[in-house]
Amino acid sequence: GAVVSQHPSWVICKSGTSVKIECRSLDFQATTMFWYRQFPKQSLMLMATSNEGSKATYEQGVEKDKFLINHASLTLSTLTVTSAHPEDSSFYICSAPTTGSYEQYFGPGTRLTVT
Amino acid sequence: AQTVTQSQPEMSVQEAETVTLSCTYDTSESNYYLFWYKQPPSRQMILVIRQEAYKQQNATENRFSVNFQKAAKSFSLKISDSQLGDTAMYFCAFMKRYAGGTSYGKLTFGQGTILTVHP
Repeated sequence: GAVVSQHPSWVICKSGTSVKIECRSLDFQATTMFWYRQFPKQSLMLMATSNEGSKATYEQGVEKDKFLINHASLTLSTLTVTSAHPEDSSFYICSAPTTGSYEQYFGPGTRLTVT
Repeated sequence: AQTVTQSQPEMSVQEAETVTLSCTYDTSESNYYLFWYKQPPSRQMILVIRQEAYKQQNATENRFSVNFQKAAKSFSLKISDSQLGDTAMYFCAFMKRYAGGTSYGKLTFGQGTILTVHP
């Protein structure tokens, strides 16, 4: 099956700094990618839909100025957490559907710890 | 908007036994997919099984099968001959199916059920 990678897998940053997380589709093109946030033992919460070549669509309650999403190519979407605070510490997962298919492929996730 | 509800936060089962995880959903859509995903301790999401709403036949994948009751909006997962490797968090998920069979992949997840298989 198709593969989606994320980098880094784990990042620790200091409060007030920004951190970028990359999501790549390795063997298929993804015009759309999704970013989720997950707290321990909880469900995945959709944060935003990343669209190649256009602005991301954010879910209600998600601060677009804090969680910057860029989908500059058909294989790469990035999520930048700006001015991170300890409450932003979470597990971030991206996913990408293949064109014309129900199938969706998930990245392995990125654990963000803000100290 | 769609909602997905999993009312069993945690379940446990003995190895080789059968367990059923429950899921109900609410939607006004007539065309959609339903999924069960598994998230083991590695936290990598793994597709277990899917069901197209227009198909009456329940989906089956080896030891995994579903009981899809469209009128009742119920979609339970049965795991037969449970194995230690089945220990994971299981999520029920809904995806709208757009015209032409395509989908934009936006999933709505339930709260999840933590399943522990005991030796």
